[in-house]
Amino acid sequence: DAGVTQSPTHLIKTRGQQVTLRCSPISGHKSVSWYQQVLGQGPQFIFQYYEKEERGRGNFPDRFSARQFPNYSSELNVNALLLGDSALYLCASSSSGAGYEQYFGPGTRLTVT
Amino acid sequence: KQEVTQIPAALSVPEGENLVLNCSFTDSAIYNLQWFRQDPGKGLTSLLLIQSSQREQTSGRLNASLDKSSGRSTLYIAASQPGDSATYLCAVFTSGTYKYIFGTGTRLKVLA
Repeated sequence: DAGVTQSPTHLIKTRGQQVTLRCSPISGHKSVSWYQQVLGQGPQFIFQYYEKEERGRGNFPDRFSARQFPNYSSELNVNALLLGDSALYLCASSSSGAGYEQYFGPGTRLTVT
Repeated sequence: KQEVTQIPAALSVPEGENLVLNCSFTDSAIYNLQWFRQDPGKGLTSLLLIQSSQREQTSGRLNASLDKSSGRSTLYIAASQPGDSATYLCAVFTSGTYKYIFGTGTRLKVLA
């Protein structure tokens, strides 16, 4: 069975640009969460979506937005990129919303120059 | 506000040793706690999930315990191997929220 997939694997952007990251959950999973992990730290929660509705949002500026599609895949968008947005962006899927075991994808490494 | 701390930040042990990694959290109203492994530059691999009603979970050489009242969890690794070298993260799902709060991890190096 395929696990959580994310694309692209790596991305280099310039300050001020916009970026879209994509995630496909495990088949049958209806919840997707997004995390940002900067070097040397644990992942920080950005969003959770369940059944296409936003269920939770972390302490990130409005430049960060996300959506979930009818097939439960998800996109994370970041506008007006800053150098500090450089990080590993992780997507996790779970079978339901709150508190179920999360399975993570390999991540997208974003570098902002 | 839930805070998760992991001690030690880094650990280096010879192959074959048994070791314990610690995770503490400030809010005991948790739904569950999950331990992950992360190899450099990679995503997270789930190791063990402990529900709030459970005291421990085991998988192979790994054993995780949970003491909600004291806000602590431990991950025990038996007979460590060089392949166990990685960063180990614990994450807590607090009741009434929709997010996991992660610790900063313990970077483990097992020497051959």
